[in-house]
Amino acid sequence: SQQGEEDPQALSIQEGENATMNCSYKTSINNLQWYRQNSGRGLVHLILIRSNEREKHSGRLRVTLDTSKKSSSLLITASRAADTASYFCATGVNFQKLVFGTGTRLLVSP
Amino acid sequence: EPEVTQTPSHQVTQMGQEVILRCVPISNHLYFYWYRQILGQKVEFLVSFYNNEISEKSEIFDDQFSVERPDGSNFTLKIRSTKLEDSAMYFCASKQDTGELFFGEGSRLTVL
Repeated sequence: SQQGEEDPQALSIQEGENATMNCSYKTSINNLQWYRQNSGRGLVHLILIRSNEREKHSGRLRVTLDTSKKSSSLLITASRAADTASYFCATGVNFQKLVFGTGTRLLVSP
Repeated sequence: EPEVTQTPSHQVTQMGQEVILRCVPISNHLYFYWYRQILGQKVEFLVSFYNNEISEKSEIFDDQFSVERPDGSNFTLKIRSTKLEDSAMYFCASKQDTGELFFGEGSRLTVL
């Protein structure tokens, strides 16, 4: 299975702190993406990192990819209460389909 | 900003009934997808559709499921004879030719 597995399953932090979520996968990929899902809503694309990239930034987000370890991390800096959501990594082999991981539920308290 | 729209937002049906979930992908997108998410679980791939045909489908997408793009704008998912375990949130997604998927808000299906 290509499935990504995130850890931790749940993370609870205070506003202003950084949140780090990790994702591991099993097969070779050509891209890895992170999505956010507010409760009961659709998924929103956050960032895409290709297999030949090691790090990418977008605003308060920083994503790393280590293809030798088949793992990725998502760092959200200076978190806000509005960052409370579930975060999923998704792996793509050929840009045809994405396989989503199990997700990390992030709770940011004011 | 263009978005993927899905209808209905919630449908309740009796076991054994047929259900059609509708999606309007973003207009210049070429690839279309259905995913589902059982409450509290991960997002599961069902099917991808490109160039008017299914390009890939998962084990979940059995003979009870079908997809259609009848008129160049709508993209539908049909479940012929619903089962209790089909209860889930069904998400439509589309993309142009880059990797980013744009998701709709989902259709919640409840099978009684």
